[in-house]
Amino acid sequence: DIVMTQSPDSLAVSLGERATINCKSSQSVFYSSNSKNYLAWYQQKPGQPPKLLIYWASTRESGVPDRFSGSGSGTDFTLTISSLQAEDVAVYYCQEYYGIPPYTFGQGTKLEIK
Amino acid sequence: EVQVVESGGALVQPGGSLRLSCAASGFRVSSTYMSWVRQAPGKGLEWVSLIKTDSTTYYADSVKGRFTISRDNSKNTLYLQMNSLRPEDTAVYYCAKDSYVSYWGQGTLVSVSS
Repeated sequence: DIVMTQSPDSLAVSLGERATINCKSSQSVFYSSNSKNYLAWYQQKPGQPPKLLIYWASTRESGVPDRFSGSGSGTDFTLTISSLQAEDVAVYYCQEYYGIPPYTFGQGTKLEIK
Repeated sequence: EVQVVESGGALVQPGGSLRLSCAASGFRVSSTYMSWVRQAPGKGLEWVSLIKTDSTTYYADSVKGRFTISRDNSKNTLYLQMNSLRPEDTAVYYCAKDSYVSYWGQGTLVSVSS
């Protein structure tokens, strides 16, 4: 099974500053036949279900603000919030959906305002 | 509008059984991958089970042999039959659409305690 490891576990960033969250998979989630990375990012606010932000490692879900971006390939991925807003306070998760399940999640990164 | 609504969560004793339901609207559960994902109190997301369009099923090692995922196409509903429940199965259980989860339900709480 693929193991997903996020870093850091928690992060405090000032409003308007950049926030960067990393996700590393124990094996590549890149499928060469279609050149896609099978990696998604989610945002979860307290008391709410998660919300899809990014899929295929860098494709923004409809309606997600463009300050959110995903990058990376193979085993190393990054979620970047270019200018942190108060409403971005949440826990962020990465998930791989490569090949045969299980489709594992990272442990989560808690993002707070500094 | 795409929507999934979970039900069936309850307080149950260790060793007991429970069946969760997920009523879908706006799409056919038979036409996409459907999953169950759970979240223990104060913890991260844990992938539990998935059913493919061809009815192939997959399970996390932690629930294999105890949980069964299924669907009723005529009712457009996804199920999770949970047997031999343990205290560590206590969690909010989310119904999830697609391999990367494009839509999440609000979740249903399962508590396993004597």
